[in-house]
Amino acid sequence: GAGVSQTPSNKVTEKGKYVELRCDPISGHTALYWYRQSLGQGPEFLIYFQGTGAADDSGLPNDRFFAVRPEGSVSTLKIQRTERGDSAVYLCASSPSGGTNYGYTFGSGTRLTVV
Amino acid sequence: AQTVTQSQPEMSVQEAETVTLSCTYDTSESDYYLFWYKQPPSRQMILVIRQEAYKQQNATENRFSVNFQKAAKSFSLKISDSQLGDAAMYFCAYRIPSGNTPLVFGKGTRLSVIA
Repeated sequence: GAGVSQTPSNKVTEKGKYVELRCDPISGHTALYWYRQSLGQGPEFLIYFQGTGAADDSGLPNDRFFAVRPEGSVSTLKIQRTERGDSAVYLCASSPSGGTNYGYTFGSGTRLTVV
Repeated sequence: AQTVTQSQPEMSVQEAETVTLSCTYDTSESDYYLFWYKQPPSRQMILVIRQEAYKQQNATENRFSVNFQKAAKSFSLKISDSQLGDAAMYFCAYRIPSGNTPLVFGKGTRLSVIA
């Protein structure tokens, strides 16, 4: 597609539930990133995919968070047993392979609210 | 670890005037990239301007320019002839040029433009 698409735009879930957030990157972009932006903060890195594999998952806060990218395009961020502290905007970004000094193209994020 | 500090949580500027947003960073690297991103209410992070650390010349993009002081580890953004559409959150970000390393963001500055 023309840009990075994230769905849903907003998600409200109850504490303890499981949620999936989807990111559809720009076609041909092999690098994909997930960031979490809490209220009043800048985005914080969660995980980076190069192709199908997670090249760096050092930003995932705990084992309730997991992400996949099985075919090297669409990625899903999965959060188990959600907690109120998981409420945030989850941003996805993609970039071409080989690295870029231009930063990345971001989606509009999914605002997750855990009640 | 690299850190990015934005010391101005909020700034305001009169339409058509000039405003400067501050950013400092901490790194032991000699080569890196610096960015300013704009985040309007749509939540999408939009690249405003970038600077490569090995370039002494300050980057300029139309009404946006930077003052890059490498020794002081300072990277401020100047917006000239401010327009109502410039109102947004502005984030300073850093990354090293190795591969697809993630961006490190500051906490942001909320810019208001007064008509």
